[in-house]
Amino acid sequence: NAGVTQTPKFQVLKTGQSMTLQCAQDMNHEYMSWYRQDPGMGLRLIHYSVGEGTTAKGEVPDGYNVSRLKKQNFLLGLESAAPSQTSVYFCASKDSLGPFYGYTFGSGTRLTVV
Amino acid sequence: GENVEQHPSTLSVQEGDSAVIKCTYSDSASNYFPWYKQELGKRPQLIIDIRSNVGEKKDQRIAVTLNKTAKHFSLHITETQPEDSAVYFCAASINQKLTFGTGTRLTIIP
Repeated sequence: NAGVTQTPKFQVLKTGQSMTLQCAQDMNHEYMSWYRQDPGMGLRLIHYSVGEGTTAKGEVPDGYNVSRLKKQNFLLGLESAAPSQTSVYFCASKDSLGPFYGYTFGSGTRLTVV
Repeated sequence: GENVEQHPSTLSVQEGDSAVIKCTYSDSASNYFPWYKQELGKRPQLIIDIRSNVGEKKDQRIAVTLNKTAKHFSLHITETQPEDSAVYFCAASINQKLTFGTGTRLTIIP
């Protein structure tokens, strides 16, 4: 039982390049989210999914796209990376037993856009 | 949308003393309030949570209180130890969506 696994752990991109951050969970969780963490700003929600085939925008969705084709995977895409997207990205998941359960986080992806 | 404010941003306490971190939220529909601890370079980890129908919850040295009328909740850590040094985040949840505070860097002074 690996929990929430994110790949890659580190990535350096040039401005304008594209990439996909991968998140996989083996806990059969319905809900998955992507957050970005910047110094002094806490964790901000980018996109989230309440189940397979569904996605929705969070607080800071611009410049990102997501897909949830399989229940266990939630992908975050950057179509044209910008220096402002330099951040640590966390994926998180939770089950559907009810609203009173916390999210489990992955170990993060540190992305640098130069 | 929901807005969560967290204070203080940094907090230093002597080992053995208590630490208190406070958060306020804006949306009265929020019904779940977790607290996360994040050590340097690590992922956030859930340490305690409270539901909107509960006023206080305790787990060994940590406790959380909730005042729904005032829309604020607090984390209390007693008998602090060096391993309590970390960044702590509060959060408020509406419909499974978590909104986080900006974090408190807690330093325990030996």
